[in-house]
Amino acid sequence: GAGVSQSPRYKVAKRGQDVALRCDPISGHVSLFWYQQALGQGPEFLTYFQNEAQLDKSGLPSDRFFAERPEGSVSTLKIQRTQQEDSAVYLCASSSPGLANNEQFFGPGTRLTVL
Amino acid sequence: AQSVSQHNHHVILSEAASLELGCNYSYGGTVNLFWYVQYPGQHLQLLLKYFSGDPLVKGIKGFEAEFIKSKFSFNLRKPSVQWSDTAEYFCAVMPPEGGADGLTFGKGTHLIIQP
Repeated sequence: GAGVSQSPRYKVAKRGQDVALRCDPISGHVSLFWYQQALGQGPEFLTYFQNEAQLDKSGLPSDRFFAERPEGSVSTLKIQRTQQEDSAVYLCASSSPGLANNEQFFGPGTRLTVL
Repeated sequence: AQSVSQHNHHVILSEAASLELGCNYSYGGTVNLFWYVQYPGQHLQLLLKYFSGDPLVKGIKGFEAEFIKSKFSFNLRKPSVQWSDTAEYFCAVMPPEGGADGLTFGKGTHLIIQP
């Protein structure tokens, strides 16, 4: 299919480890979003890219979180020195201005568990 | 900043019962409104959306929602639920210019339909 894909689907990390989460958006989608969904909560906005430019990173919870999209397609969310409170599902979504009124299409998410 | 409130965290209904899930938002300007659904083991999917025009919006699988501007509400309804409607439902808002603001989600309502 041509949907948003994310890898890995599940990640277990020991506290203090660095992790990298990958998102492949729908081909041609200009906008890419990362969200964090804690257990029992709704997704919360982390950061936004338009092509390769990171236009908003106001939702990143600390400077341990870093996201990039160097070629305007695939994006990576990196978390350094993971903590237990980082345990959550990390969702990626893509959209394209002018198409379907900016509807965001979500990937399956990466479930991160920090022990 | 906008916020979204979903009144019921857990709802249990029998098949064929009518459904109404409440959603209120706080935002000073015009917003786009969404309901997303997450079936067990699946990713977030768009149920319906409101951008402008007729405040009664029809979505997939027999769902509809009514935007009442004076009440800042966008309640989701279905006249007769099915067992397959068991899922997590999220209300979300976004300013019409979209882009960097991303989506603001409510905490979700876990709907269980008993056969």
